[in-house]
Amino acid sequence: GNSVTQMEGPVTLSEEAFLTINCTYTATGYPSLFWYVQYPGEGLQLLLKATKADDKGSNKGFEATYRKETTSFHLEKGSVQVSDSAVYFCALSRNTGGFKTIFGAGTRLFVKA
Amino acid sequence: DAMVIQNPRYQVTQFGKPVTLSCSQTLNHNVMYWYQQKSSQAPKLLFHYYDKDFNNEADTPDNFQSRRPNTSFCFLDIRSPGLGDAAMYLCATVANRSNQPQHFGDGTRLSIL
Repeated sequence: GNSVTQMEGPVTLSEEAFLTINCTYTATGYPSLFWYVQYPGEGLQLLLKATKADDKGSNKGFEATYRKETTSFHLEKGSVQVSDSAVYFCALSRNTGGFKTIFGAGTRLFVKA
Repeated sequence: DAMVIQNPRYQVTQFGKPVTLSCSQTLNHNVMYWYQQKSSQAPKLLFHYYDKDFNNEADTPDNFQSRRPNTSFCFLDIRSPGLGDAAMYLCATVANRSNQPQHFGDGTRLSIL
């Protein structure tokens, strides 16, 4: 079946540090891949997406590349800010059937000033 | 701006007293979802509508019901809330194609006294 595995948190970094949050997936066919971010007390917001192999999604300094050979979609940012403190969810949805999105367990990021 | 709006943001009810949460959307999306989220874990899908077609998840308790009177509105009814139903409830929508990102509301945090 379809699944998403992401690194456990919490991840604690100092401001301006480099961020990587690992995400791997299992799916048949060619899923679309997403990173969502959830700030305290809010719903999930789309951070970035990629719809086919080798696509790079990017937004607000965050990037992730769809790697079909390693079934991965790791999230990176070169220099984190305190305002990036949030929970990050990796997710996939498939082109066919179900209208469902499969979410990873989420990774909480704390950024210290 | 087109968006997904959930009311109220915070809801307190008594053990066993029915409660209704509401969601409205201005995106004119066909698909609407209800999720339950506890402690920043991955959202757990309760059910979804594709237009008026209702799709219940196999492990959603009978205590949870939903109504979608028109494209714009969707309601979550909890008939007899237990302490374990205290959670954040998230509404989301997606356009017709299942590989598009979902648009989330800010959620309703439900407390049970």
